[in-house]
Amino acid sequence: DAKTTQPPSMDCAEGRAANLPCNHSTISGNEYVYWYRQIHSQGPQYIIHGLKNNETNEMASLIITEDRKSSTLILPHATLRDTAVYYCIVRVAHAGNMLTFGGGTRLMVKP
Amino acid sequence: GAVVSQHPSWVICKSGTSVKIECRSLDFQATTMFWYRQFPKQSLMLMATSNEGSKATYEQGVEKDKFLINHASLTLSTLTVTSAHPEDSSFYICSASSGDEQYFGPGTRLTVT
Repeated sequence: DAKTTQPPSMDCAEGRAANLPCNHSTISGNEYVYWYRQIHSQGPQYIIHGLKNNETNEMASLIITEDRKSSTLILPHATLRDTAVYYCIVRVAHAGNMLTFGGGTRLMVKP
Repeated sequence: GAVVSQHPSWVICKSGTSVKIECRSLDFQATTMFWYRQFPKQSLMLMATSNEGSKATYEQGVEKDKFLINHASLTLSTLTVTSAHPEDSSFYICSASSGDEQYFGPGTRLTVT
C-alpha cells in the first residue's frame, strides 16, 4: 500500500471548517483513499473513503485532486467532540487487506 | 452500521499469566479479522491477520507462540497473550471486514504488573 504524509497536528476553532490535508503521491490506480479517526482510548472510527471523485457523507467531505496525489478531509462545522487523531490511509479495497496506519494528524478543536 | 465488540475493555494481570481477549462482529459475518496493538502516543501496528478456519498470519516481529489467535467462527476471534510481561502492556484493538470495509472494536487495555 502507498504511504501517506500528514501534518502531525492542527488546531481549529469550534464551529469552523477543519481542513485536513494528506499527500499520497505514490498512490496506485486501484487504491482508495480512506479516512479514519481515533478519539482518545477508543478504536478507530471510519469516516469516509473515495477513489477519484469527491465524496460527502453525514460526517465529512473528501476532496481528491485530479492527479490523486493528495486529498483533503473537510469537517464542515467542527465541534469539540471532533478532537481526535485523523488517519489518511490508501488501500486496495479488499476484505483481506489490512489498514496501514501512519502517524496521523492530531486535530484539536478549541472553543 | 457494522458493530464490533471486544471483551474485556480493560484487564490487569500479573506477570507470567495468560490473558484472552475476544473480538466479536455483532451484526455481520467476518471472514477476516485483524489484531492491532497501540502503545502510548504511537500509531496502531498490525499484529496479525486472522481468517476463519485457518491459521493466522503474523506480522514480522510478532511472536506467534506468545500471541495465540483463534478464529473459530465467522463472528468471533480471540487473542491470547501467553505468559504476559510488563512490556506487553498495551492497547489491543481488533477489526473485522464486512465487504471491502473494516470496522474496529473499542479496544482492550492490558496492564501487566
